[in-house]
Amino acid sequence: NAGVTQTPKFRVLKTGQSMTLLCAQDMNHEYMYWYRQDPGMGLRLIHYSVGEGTTAKGEVPDGYNVSRLKKQNFLLGLESAAPSQTSVYFCASTPQGYYGYTFGSGTRLTVV
Amino acid sequence: AQTVTQSQPEMSVQEAETVTLSCTYDTSESDYYLFWYKQPPSRQMILVIRQEAYKQQNATENRFSVNFQKAAKSFSLKISDSQLGDAAMYFCAYRVNTNAGKSTFGDGTTLTVKP
Repeated sequence: NAGVTQTPKFRVLKTGQSMTLLCAQDMNHEYMYWYRQDPGMGLRLIHYSVGEGTTAKGEVPDGYNVSRLKKQNFLLGLESAAPSQTSVYFCASTPQGYYGYTFGSGTRLTVV
Repeated sequence: AQTVTQSQPEMSVQEAETVTLSCTYDTSESDYYLFWYKQPPSRQMILVIRQEAYKQQNATENRFSVNFQKAAKSFSLKISDSQLGDAAMYFCAYRVNTNAGKSTFGDGTTLTVKP
């Protein structure tokens, strides 16, 4: 089982560029999440989805968009990257709310 | 809003000894779940242990156990017989049962294991 796969693992963007982070899970999980991890700040929720075709804003959604056209995929887009979006991004999934998360291995994004 | 506080940014333990990591949370909910996750230098986040708030019995997973004090809103993680592979950052997380599975994380505790 691959679990949760994130691509790419590393990326450097110039300010103003756009990109899409892909998260794919093969566990048939309903719930999927995008978090960002910054030094000393733990994980903060960007967007989440409770099923195919649904998305909702988390704690820090500004500057990001998401889509979940297929149950197994959850895409995170940056329309116009800013240095403040330099971070490590984690995708996570869970079958229902009371289970723990399965995380992807993270994407380290640097915006210069 | 729920908050999770890990008051120990760094902890260290001697190999084979026991260490306890602290976590407190703030909530007005009665039905929720608490988790500890481990993040080694590889960056991969791994679920260590889970506790359901309605269960009085403390959860255990091999060398990992929790001390759950619901009234005090405290959820500490005890690691027994510490091993070098336990060196990692540990995150405490809280989730309300009916909140789309969204979790709130603490800022983490970095655990060093000395040989």
